[in-house]
Amino acid sequence: AQSVTQPDIHITVSEGASLELRCNYSYGATPYLFWYVQSPGQGLQLLLKYFSGDTLVQGIKGFEAEFKRSQSSFNLRKPSVHWSDAAEYFCAVGSGGTSYGKLTFGQGTILTVHP
Amino acid sequence: AAGVIQSPRHLIKEKRETATLKCYPIPRHDTVYWYQQGPGQDPQFLISFYEKMQSDKGSIPDRFSAQQFSDYHSELNMSSLELGDSALYFCASGNSGGPLNEQFFGPGTRLTVL
Repeated sequence: AQSVTQPDIHITVSEGASLELRCNYSYGATPYLFWYVQSPGQGLQLLLKYFSGDTLVQGIKGFEAEFKRSQSSFNLRKPSVHWSDAAEYFCAVGSGGTSYGKLTFGQGTILTVHP
Repeated sequence: AAGVIQSPRHLIKEKRETATLKCYPIPRHDTVYWYQQGPGQDPQFLISFYEKMQSDKGSIPDRFSAQQFSDYHSELNMSSLELGDSALYFCASGNSGGPLNEQFFGPGTRLTVL
C-alpha cells in the first residue's frame, strides 16, 4: 500500500529565510507526487506535481521540489519565505492506473513564519 | 476560471440525523473524489467516481453512500451521524483525459455533529 511520511509536524522560519519541507513516500511503482498547501479552514491548493521527466519541478508561488528515487523523497523548497507562506503543507502520492487519482496524504507540516 | 463548487459550505446536524453534501465538478471533468479531513488530520480518501460509476473506494463507513449523476455532480449521503463524523469534507474533480491524478479541490463542507 502506498504511504507518505512528513517527518516535521511544525516548522518555524524567519521571513526571507530558505525553506525545505521533507516528504518520504512508499509506493511500488513510479509514483505520482504532489504538494498541496492549505490555509486555515480553506481548501487544498496544488503547488506542484511530479509525474515523470525532470526530477526538479517548479511550482507556483516560487516553490520547487526535487524527486529523488534513491531516497524515496520529494522535498519541497523555497529560497526565500514570505509571511504569506504560513500555512499547512501536505505531500501526497497518487495511485494512478485505473483508480484515476486516489491520493494518499502525509500528516502535513505546519509552517510558521516569523517577521 | 470555474472551480469545484461544494454546498453547503457549513452544516450543523444532531447525532443520528442525516446529511447530504453536494459537489459540482469543473465543467468537462468526468471524475469526482471525496475526502474527509478530521480536525488536525490529513485528508482521507473516501470514494471516487468516473463517468457516473464508482471507480475506487477507501475508508468510507457503511453509513455513507455516494453517487455521481448524469450531469457529473456528486452527492455524499451520510446517515446515523456520529460525533466522529464532524470534519471537513472535500470534493475534488479531475479530467480522465488530462494528466493522471491532477485533482482540483473544492473549498470543502464543514460538517459539525452535535
